[in-house]
Amino acid sequence: NAGVTQTPKFRVLKTGQSMTLLCAQDMNHEYMYWYRQDPGMGLRLIHYSVGEGTTAKGEVPDGYNVSRLKKQNFLLGLESAAPSQTSVYFCASSEGPGIGGYTFGSGTRLTVV
Amino acid sequence: GEDVEQSLFLSVREGDSSVINCTYTDSSSTYLYWYKQEPGAGLQLLTYIFSNMDMKQDQRLTVLLNKKDKHLSLRIADTQTGDSAIYFCAVSGYSTLTFGKGTMLLVSP
Repeated sequence: NAGVTQTPKFRVLKTGQSMTLLCAQDMNHEYMYWYRQDPGMGLRLIHYSVGEGTTAKGEVPDGYNVSRLKKQNFLLGLESAAPSQTSVYFCASSEGPGIGGYTFGSGTRLTVV
Repeated sequence: GEDVEQSLFLSVREGDSSVINCTYTDSSSTYLYWYKQEPGAGLQLLTYIFSNMDMKQDQRLTVLLNKKDKHLSLRIADTQTGDSAIYFCAVSGYSTLTFGKGTMLLVSP
């Protein structure tokens, strides 16, 4: 049982490049989330999804897009990376709003130079 | 929106008890959680409490909830060096959890 798997684990991008972060969960969870973690800022919600085919904006959505074409996958895209998007990105999933808490992936460390 | 506040740092000696505190603003939160994050890792669910409970004990962990004051605490008994980590409080909202900024616990031998 893998839980939540994030790929890649590390990435360095040049300013203006694009990339997609992949999150996959094998727990049949309805809800999925993307957070970023920055020193002194805690976890900030970027986007989330309450089911296949749905997405919603979180606290800091600008510069990111997401898609949930399959229930088990939640993709986070950066169309034109900026140094301010240097961060550690975490994906999480849950059965429902608050139910059972979140299961987190191990994170993707992204550096934009 | 919901606001969750935690103290940023706590230092204890091995064998002592640690108490990490959290305050929140939304009294309608149904579930309240504590997560642990070790260096370079994701967040791991430690324990949780339902809003209709005042206390929950789980081995060395005790969670206390004061709904009137909107105050949540996590007590770790017999703290070990392996407990050194960042601890996050989180409270449930309509569709998501709101996390505090985390408390770094440092346990010295």
